[in-house]
Amino acid sequence: GAVVSQHPSRVICKSGTSVKIECRSLDFQATTMFWYRQFPKKSLMLMATSNEGSKATYEQGVEKDKFLINHASLTLSTLTVTSAHPEDSSFYICSARRTTYNEQFFGPGTRLTVL
Amino acid sequence: GQQLNQSPQSMFIQEGEDVSMNCTSSSIFNTWLWYKQDPGEGPVLLIALYKAGELTSNGRLTAQFGITRKDSFLNISASIPSDVGIYFCAGQSRGSTLGRLYFGRGTQLTVWP
Repeated sequence: GAVVSQHPSRVICKSGTSVKIECRSLDFQATTMFWYRQFPKKSLMLMATSNEGSKATYEQGVEKDKFLINHASLTLSTLTVTSAHPEDSSFYICSARRTTYNEQFFGPGTRLTVL
Repeated sequence: GQQLNQSPQSMFIQEGEDVSMNCTSSSIFNTWLWYKQDPGEGPVLLIALYKAGELTSNGRLTAQFGITRKDSFLNISASIPSDVGIYFCAGQSRGSTLGRLYFGRGTQLTVWP
């Protein structure tokens, strides 16, 4: 149990376009999901906390208008990178919190490349 | 934000050897989690710890929640080549109602056959 999926796993887009990444908890409900960004050989950097039915909480320095987060149901959160630029290229990972055991399970990540 | 001090940063060991890594924090945590990440994939939860002094095993892995609530260690016994990867510690502070985690910088483990 406790599986989190992410889609797509890889995406290449042109500069100026928007990209949507989906994060789903497949076998448990998650009132809280998290979005991270990871640079090569670095730790995970929290971008925002996503709560079902309410606005996301963004970390300092993360542009909320650029990284739109929607947590529409207890099993789905989406991250939309708007007007993507090459500097947005990165590995984006989501996690879902299983409240019962206070654990977080991560998705497999999405590799975004902006040309 | 909080940054956990994880050490060592990297380890190069021979297959069959035991491995130990640890994390310390300046503040008290009520949950410690250990993850392993393979290249190009998301972290996978290895062990979760919830009580000070708790010692938990998962196969060849053993982790402990420090008595002071400010540290944790992970041991891997009889390492094998598939243990290669980056190991992250993560902690949740007492005041975090949403479960936000703070991560260590990771320990890169290389196992020589």
